[in-house]
Amino acid sequence: GQQVMQIPQYQHVQEGEDFTTYCNSSTTLSNIQWYKQRPGGHPVFLIQLVKSGEVKKQKRLTFQFGEAKKNSSLHITATQTTDVGTYFCTTSGTYKYIFGTGTRLKVLA
Amino acid sequence: DSGVTQTPKHLITATGQRVTLRCSPRSGDLSVYWYQQSLDQGLQFLIQYYNGEERAKGNILERFSAQQFPDLHSELNLSSLELGDSALYFCASSVGPEGAQTQYFGPGTRLLVL
Repeated sequence: GQQVMQIPQYQHVQEGEDFTTYCNSSTTLSNIQWYKQRPGGHPVFLIQLVKSGEVKKQKRLTFQFGEAKKNSSLHITATQTTDVGTYFCTTSGTYKYIFGTGTRLKVLA
Repeated sequence: DSGVTQTPKHLITATGQRVTLRCSPRSGDLSVYWYQQSLDQGLQFLIQYYNGEERAKGNILERFSAQQFPDLHSELNLSSLELGDSALYFCASSVGPEGAQTQYFGPGTRLLVL
C-alpha cells in the first residue's frame, strides 16, 4: 500500500537556524498537504501542493513538490520559537488519507 | 479555533468497556474524518463520512464503528476496549468528499484505558 515517510523524525535547532523536513513516497502522489501540530494541540493545515515541481512560500516557510511527485519538502528559514511543533505531510490516496510519520521540531532559544 | 468541536476532552475507562466520542463539524462542512494518534505516533486515518454516508475506510478495527447523523455530527464508538486503544482521537471536517480537501481538526478526545 501507499506509504509516506518523513525525515528526520526529530530535529533540534538553535533559534535563527534553518530547518528542512522531507516527505518521501514510493508511489506517485496526486497531491501533498502539510500540517503543523503544536505540542498539546491539533493539526493545522499549512499548504497544499498539486503540480509537479510546484513551489509555494508562506513568509519564512517554503514548500516544494518534487518533479516526479514522489517527494516534498518544507523549509523554514531562520527558525523562531513559535515554529516548535510536529510537521506532517499527508496525501489522499484512493479514498484513504495517509499521514507521514511527522518531524518533531524543537527550537532552542 | 477551527470550528470543529469534540466531546469529551478526556475519557478514562477500563478494559472491556465501550465509549462514544462525539464530533460536530464546522458549519457548512459535510465531511467528517476520524483519526487515531497514539503516543509519539503519527495520525492513523480511521474512517470518513460524507453527508451521512460512509465515504472511505482506513485502519479501523472491527471493534470500532462510526456514524454521521442528519445534523452532520458524528460519533465514534469504541467497544471491548484494550489498553492499546489509549490514544488521542481527532475528528476533522471538510467541505466536500474528495481527497484533496483542507481538513479542519478538532481539539481531540484523549482516551485512557486502564
